Amino acid sequence: AQSVTQLDSQVPVFEEAPVELRCNYSSSVSVYLFWYVQYPNQGLQLLLKYLSGSTLVESINGFEAEFNKSQTSFHLRKPSVHISDTAEYFCAVSAALIQGAQKLVFGQGTRLTINP
Amino acid sequence: ETGVTQSPTHLIKTRGQQVTLRCSSQSGHNTVSWYQQALGQGPQFIFQYYREEENGRGNFPPRFSGLQFPNYSSELNVNALELDDSALYLCASTPFQGRGYGYTFGSGTRLTVV
Repeated sequence: AQSVTQLDSQVPVFEEAPVELRCNYSSSVSVYLFWYVQYPNQGLQLLLKYLSGSTLVESINGFEAEFNKSQTSFHLRKPSVHISDTAEYFCAVSAALIQGAQKLVFGQGTRLTINP
Repeated sequence: ETGVTQSPTHLIKTRGQQVTLRCSSQSGHNTVSWYQQALGQGPQFIFQYYREEENGRGNFPPRFSGLQFPNYSSELNVNALELDDSALYLCASTPFQGRGYGYTFGSGTRLTVV
């Protein structure tokens, strides 16, 4: 069965510093991988996704993630963070249901705190 | 294009009661999933509906049930509420049963059971 491990429950960084949020997955089949962001008291917003093709995927707000099949990882990075990036970040992997349908399996989340 | 909308936003219920949560899917999305997010945890898959049929279920007891309507909107019903049911309930929609398209999530319903 598919599973996701987010290696850090909390990551504090200073504004304008680089950050990496780590995610490892377990799957015996081809996967789709996602990063979602959750701001306080809100739902989840899709940040970026890997479906196929280039292993480096980017979001519109400067985040990027690299799919590494050999290390079964999908780490999220940003070269310079802003106060507004303070949020909870969830890594997710797709898992099969019946008839080709998919569901998402989430990690426990990483709380990113940006300090001025 | 409207996103996923959920109602109500907050709800307080007493242990043993029943609750119904509602979700309108994003335009063009025919598949709806429900997730439970306990405080400090990642979302857990409850079940998914496609063309009004349940096509997948997570590790939740039968007192969690759902419906999908012809307009693709959905309801989550929970009977005999327990204190541990207190959580944020998220609805998500996707086209084509989620085959790699990603899911659009609503803002959730915060359920508190007292």
